[in-house]
Amino acid sequence: DAMVIQNPRYQVTQFGKPVTLSCSQTLNHNVMYWYQQKSSQAPKLLFHYYDKDFNNEADTPDNFQSRRPNTSFCFLDIRSPGLGDAAMYLCATSRDRAGGPDEQFFGPGTRLTVL
Amino acid sequence: AQSVAQPEDQVNVAEGNPLTVKCTYSVSGNPYLFWYVQYPNRGLQFLLKYITGDNLVKGSYGFEAEFNKSQTSFHLKKPSALVSDSALYFCAVRDGGGDYKLSFGAGTTVTVRA
Repeated sequence: DAMVIQNPRYQVTQFGKPVTLSCSQTLNHNVMYWYQQKSSQAPKLLFHYYDKDFNNEADTPDNFQSRRPNTSFCFLDIRSPGLGDAAMYLCATSRDRAGGPDEQFFGPGTRLTVL
Repeated sequence: AQSVAQPEDQVNVAEGNPLTVKCTYSVSGNPYLFWYVQYPNRGLQFLLKYITGDNLVKGSYGFEAEFNKSQTSFHLKKPSALVSDSALYFCAVRDGGGDYKLSFGAGTTVTVRA
C-alpha cells in the first residue's frame, strides 16, 4: 500500500546532540510537510517543500532544518536539541493540483525525547 | 487569515449513542474543510473532507459531517458511537483562495464508554 513512513518511531537524544528524523513516501506527492506536535495539541507546521522549493514558517526556530534530496524522501535536522524540542514530529504529504484540494496523508510520527 | 475553533476539549458519550464533535471556521475565501482522527502515539488519519457540493459529507468508519455556510460550521457526527471511536479529533480548514496549508483546531478528545 502507498504510504508515508517515518523512521525511527522513537528517538532519544541528549541535550545539544544533533538528531535527524526521516520521512519517505510512496505516494509520489509533490508536497511534503513537517509538523511538531506537543501533548495532544494541534500540529504546528514547521516547514514544507513544494517540489524542491523550501518554505519555512516564520516562527520556526533556526535550530530546525530540512532537506529533500528527492521526491520520496525528506529529513528533519535538529541541530542542537533543547528540552523544549521534545515532541512528536509528524511528516505529511499532499498532492497539490488544480481542481484540488487533496487531503494530507500523515506518517505515524517520531516521538523525540531529549535527555 | 484562516482559523478553526473546536469549542469542546472533551466529549463523553455512551456506546451506541450519537456522537457530535463541533467545529467552526473562519476563512476569507471558500472553505475547504477536513476532519482527522488521531489515536495515541500515531499520526493523523483522514476521515472526510468538504470541498463543494452536497452539504452532508460521508467519510470513513461511519462518520459524516455537515457543512453549514451560514453558521460557518462543519460538525462531525456518528449515529452510533463505538468504544473504538475514543480518540483525539482535529478539524482543519484551508482557504480555497489562498495557499494549501491547513489550519488545525485545538482538538477534541472523544471518550466512548461501554
